Amino acid sequence: NAGVTQTPKFRILKIGQSMTLQCAQDMNHNYMYWYRQDPGMGLKLIYYSVGAGITDKGEVPNGYNVSRSTTEDFPLRLELAAPSQTSVYFCASSSLSDGTQYFGPGTRLTVL
Amino acid sequence: QQQVKQSPQSLIVQKGGISIINCAYENTAFDYFPWYQQFPGKGPALLIAIRPDVSEKKEGRFTISFNKSAKQFSLHIMDSQPGDSATYFCAASRQAAGNKLTFGGGTRVLVKP
Repeated sequence: NAGVTQTPKFRILKIGQSMTLQCAQDMNHNYMYWYRQDPGMGLKLIYYSVGAGITDKGEVPNGYNVSRSTTEDFPLRLELAAPSQTSVYFCASSSLSDGTQYFGPGTRLTVL
Repeated sequence: QQQVKQSPQSLIVQKGGISIINCAYENTAFDYFPWYQQFPGKGPALLIAIRPDVSEKKEGRFTISFNKSAKQFSLHIMDSQPGDSATYFCAASRQAAGNKLTFGGGTRVLVKP
């Protein structure tokens, strides 16, 4: 099992550009999540999904969009990138019955 | 609104000593309280977790103490080792709300040899 995988590992964007952060899990988990972690801070929830076709906003959704067409994949879309979106982005997944979330290695994004 | 408050922000302990990290929460509907360990450049990994029906859980050198009435829980790292140097996050979630984690701000622990 690869667990939770994320691509790319690093990315530099210019203000106003768009990009998609990819996340995939091979554990057949129903729940998937996107968090951002700013330097020296805890993680904040951006969006989450409880199953294919179902997504909902977290604490800091502005400037982001998600989709969940399959159980395995949960991409995060940034439209019109802003410097405030400079952060490390983590994807995670968990099963219905267990609260344990398994995290990917993260994507470090810089917006200049 | 910060629903999970964590202290201290950083901690230095000698090898063999005890590290103690405290967290307080506000939402009484939370029913799952994990601690995550994060090394630089890596994603958080579950260390140990507790549910509110027990007051203490121990796994090896790591112990969670849980005080439901005070809405507080803490992580104790016994016999701290240099390999324990990492950032530790407490978190809380509610299973009925999709297991969404609310994280504390993190504690950077440095264990000196």
